[in-house]
Amino acid sequence: GAVVSQHPSRVICKSGTSVKIECRSLDFQATTMFWYRQFPKQSLMLMATSNEGSKATYEQGVEKDKFLINHASLTLSTLTVTSAHPEDSSFYICSVSVNYGYTFGSGTRLTVV
Amino acid sequence: AQKITQTQPGMFVQEKEAVTLDCTYDTSDQSYGLFWYKQPSSGEMIFLIYQGSYDEQNATEGRYSLNFQKARKSANLVISASQLGDSAMYFCAMRRISSGSARQLTFGSGTQLTVLP
Repeated sequence: GAVVSQHPSRVICKSGTSVKIECRSLDFQATTMFWYRQFPKQSLMLMATSNEGSKATYEQGVEKDKFLINHASLTLSTLTVTSAHPEDSSFYICSVSVNYGYTFGSGTRLTVV
Repeated sequence: AQKITQTQPGMFVQEKEAVTLDCTYDTSDQSYGLFWYKQPSSGEMIFLIYQGSYDEQNATEGRYSLNFQKARKSANLVISASQLGDSAMYFCAMRRISSGSARQLTFGSGTQLTVLP
């Protein structure tokens, strides 16, 4: 089946630094990838839709300059959290629509200290 | 706009018993798809079951079945013969199927299920 590999699974960074999260489709091409954020005990909230070869589409309230998305190839999308702050600490997870279903990455737990 | 409502923040069930997790949705679309996912503490999203809006029969996948009542806009998940490993967060989600629309999922707030031994 379709597999999306997400790295890193956990990251701890200092406040003010940037963190890059990668999602890679292993055996299929992903022209569109969705990025979600999930705070503890809460739901998955869509942050942005990543489109290969074009600009990402961000949801209302999500800062484009803070959450940089790059989808430079058909198999790789990256989310960079720039100048991270403690309030950015969260679980980030990517997803790809495959046929009529979805496959998810394993998620990244970001802790900003 | 689409909205998914899960009114049970937490549920408890005795091992081997059946449990129903509620989900209602709001959409003006005629074509849509409804999903249920399980999220254990590890964070991975595990697909459980899918129901299309035009499917006449309720979906079933092993111990999981979906009680789809289109007129009431509800898509409750029924887990039969609960197991300890079923303890997790469960999310109901919806996707628009109409052409030209982005295919992202909209998630409910989730239900934390705890199976008691």
